[in-house]
Amino acid sequence: DTAVSQTPKYLVTQMGNDKSIKCEQNLGHDTMYWYKQDSKKFLKIMFSYNNKELIINETVPNRFSPKSPDKAHLNLHINSLELGDSAVYFCASSQEGAHGYTFGSGTRLTVV
Amino acid sequence: KQEVTQIPAALSVPEGENLVLNCSFTDSAIYNLQWFRQDPGKGLTSLLLIQSSQREQTSGRLNASLDKSSGRSTLYIAASQPGDSATYLCAVPGAGSYQLTFGKGTKLSVIP
Repeated sequence: DTAVSQTPKYLVTQMGNDKSIKCEQNLGHDTMYWYKQDSKKFLKIMFSYNNKELIINETVPNRFSPKSPDKAHLNLHINSLELGDSAVYFCASSQEGAHGYTFGSGTRLTVV
Repeated sequence: KQEVTQIPAALSVPEGENLVLNCSFTDSAIYNLQWFRQDPGKGLTSLLLIQSSQREQTSGRLNASLDKSSGRSTLYIAASQPGDSATYLCAVPGAGSYQLTFGKGTKLSVIP
């Protein structure tokens, strides 16, 4: 199936831990993103990579570090997790030009 | 900076009714506009993508219109069904920007 897939779907962890979320797309898209959906359900961009290069880095704590080993993968590493990091994190991809975005199914992160 | 507003925030209708969801955006220099659906605890499903040169797009019972000059889009749902109950999100990328800006969504409930 062509899609954006992210793992894990659920992640429960303690404060202070370091965790990673993985994302892969097999759509051949050039650009990948991480979005955060907070408790009020508002979706906001965190990072964007185009052909493995960071092009958007919104005001996000530097505990969050994206890594793109190739243009089909964009992983999100989070260090020293805090309670406020609890949210749903969505990976997405798009092709340069007037094409739409495809989203993954989300990773629900709960920090306890 | 692009801002997207969706009205109403919530809508409850009896089954079978036709309904309209509204989306407005502040920066009309957009490539396209995309409508998504999000079911509770789930990811985003793309419903319709309208290019900036188009006036409308149709998919089944859904019809989305775009008036770029006035910064408005509507999503028309015909003959609503309980399965249409979800949150509907409108999103636009800015000119020269890879970033998608989302509205806060309209939560639709279709009552059997």
